[in-house]
Amino acid sequence: GESVGLHLPTLSVQEGDNSIINCAYSNSASDYFIWYKQESGKGPQFIIDIRSNMDKRQGQRVTVLLNKTVKHLSLQIAATQPGDSAVYFCAENIGSGGSNYKLTFGKGTLLTVNP
Amino acid sequence: NAGVMQNPRHLVRRRGQEARLRCSPMKGHSHVYWYRQLPEEGLKFMVYLQKENIIDESGMPKERFSAEFPKEGPSILRIQQVVRGDSAAYFCASSRAKRDTGELFFGEGSRLTVL
Repeated sequence: GESVGLHLPTLSVQEGDNSIINCAYSNSASDYFIWYKQESGKGPQFIIDIRSNMDKRQGQRVTVLLNKTVKHLSLQIAATQPGDSAVYFCAENIGSGGSNYKLTFGKGTLLTVNP
Repeated sequence: NAGVMQNPRHLVRRRGQEARLRCSPMKGHSHVYWYRQLPEEGLKFMVYLQKENIIDESGMPKERFSAEFPKEGPSILRIQQVVRGDSAAYFCASSRAKRDTGELFFGEGSRLTVL
């Protein structure tokens, strides 16, 4: 079955609010996680990644939190904007030898930002 | 600097026909990866190629699917005798190397519809 999945299939927020998208994974051997954003009709776009030796990583307006104890990953988007509306996927690495190409994607969460 | 280029963007085939999807990696990238996305699903790894070599085809269906990345020209994903279940978006990604940092750059995908 799926190693990576999402708690909420859809999330609707008001412009300016913070968004939190959650993801659960089941493979305790996974050591690398990525969040991707996919707009309608386009390919996935890299947002932020995190390795298993970290529990938090921040980017521009985004923060990823990793809780290895409960195998949970979250993406926080600060001051959500209409341009953030998209499907968000978490992905984990199941490659070997440090390679990160063989990603397992969750099913995605559709984020809708209301103006 | 052009990103990963895929064509055609949309392809319609009847059952039993062949589908050929092409992918040109980003400039300077010699590693290509194909992923498939079924409707409302996350992406699933299919195959990883370097020039003239298939490195990992563990995600490829055993029959009807093949991939190549010749010395010259784009990578091609070929699906013979297509069936309705092959209808999906096929994404190509590329990277500079099979490296530890792992960021894959995805193209905008080729959407195959089998009638």
